This record gives sequence, C-alpha cells and structure tokens, in this order.
Amino acid sequence: SQKIEQNSEALNIQEGKTATLTCNYTNYSPAYLQWYRQDPGRGPVFLLLIRENEKEKRKERLKVTFDTTLKQSLFHITASQPADSATYLCAPLYSSASKIIFGSGTRLSIRP
Amino acid sequence: SQTIHQWPATLVQPVGSPLSLECTVEGTSNPNLYWYRQAAGRGLQLLFYSVGIGQISSEVPQNLSASRPQDRQFILSSKKLLLSDSGFYLCAWSVADEQYFGPGTRLTVT
Repeated sequence: SQKIEQNSEALNIQEGKTATLTCNYTNYSPAYLQWYRQDPGRGPVFLLLIRENEKEKRKERLKVTFDTTLKQSLFHITASQPADSATYLCAPLYSSASKIIFGSGTRLSIRP
Repeated sequence: SQTIHQWPATLVQPVGSPLSLECTVEGTSNPNLYWYRQAAGRGLQLLFYSVGIGQISSEVPQNLSASRPQDRQFILSSKKLLLSDSGFYLCAWSVADEQYFGPGTRLTVT
C-alpha cells in the first residue's frame, strides 16, 4: 500500500533561516502533491499544490519542489518567523482517486 | 464564498452512548465531503468520504458510520462509543484538488 513519510521529529529553526521539510512517498507517483499548515486545535489550511509535471512552485516565502525520481517533495519557508511555527502536512493526490490522504506531519518551531 | 460548519465544537460522552456529528457546507454544490479523525499528537486519519448523496466510502472498518442525506450535509454516527473513539473530528470538502476543513469537534469518551 502507499506510504507517506514526513520528518517524524520536530524541527527547530532560528528565526530568519530557511526551514526545509521533507515528504517522501512510496510506490505510485501522485498526480498532485499538496501542503497544508495546521495550528493546535484547528483544522489544516491549504497552502500550495504542485503537479507532477512541475518541478517547483512558489508563493511568497514558500517554495515547494517535486522530484518524481526521488519520490520526494520538499517544502521550504525562507526568512522564517516565529508565526510560521505550526505542523505542516503533505498530502499526495492520485488522479484516479477522490480521497486525499495526509502524512503524519512535521512540527516546526521557529525560535526568536 | 464557501463555508463549512461543524457542531458541536466539543462533546463529552460516556462509553456505550450514541454519537451524531453534523457537517454542512454552504456556497457550493455537489462537493466531495470527508470525515477525518485526529488522535492527540497524531496525524489525520481518513474515516469516510463521499462524492454524492448516498455515496459513502469507508476507509477504516470500525464502529463508526457516515451518511449523506443531502448534497451539502454529512453526518458521522456511532451506535455505541468506545474509549478509542476519542479525538478531534474534522469535516472537509474539496474543490479543484484543494481541501477546506471545518472547525472540528473535540470528542472525549469517558
């Protein structure tokens, strides 16, 4: 069965540095890969979507890459701020399916 | 604009009691609808999804069930709650491969 793996341990980054989070998947390559942010006690919020034919996508300080050879997506936050502290979830979507399954998430802490 | 409502926000129920959580979506028609559960400190577990009225797909066999009596209404139910049913329940809808989540229901089974 398909597996989605994210950094299992929390990531602690100094403010101003670039945070990089990893999402690895097994077996089939998804048609799309999404990234969400989740704050404690809240539902996830959609951030970015990248398609399998796109190598990179940017939105303000966020950048996502998608490497179908490595079966990996990287999520970067540049010039990180304490307000970026949250759990970040990746979610691959397969074109033939209607469901979105999430990775377990990586907790990111940005210290001042 | 689209909005998604869930209620109640919090719920404390004894073991063996029934459950009914409701989710409604406004501002869209024929959405895909989802129920997720998140145990404390854990990831999101997809429980059910629906692509239309009366169409329910179950991802995890358990004592929960889901129904979609109307296009924009999704209900999660149980006849008898277990302690392991405690968690944060999230309803979501999707459009153009993006999911939008409701505020969630925090369920504690005692």
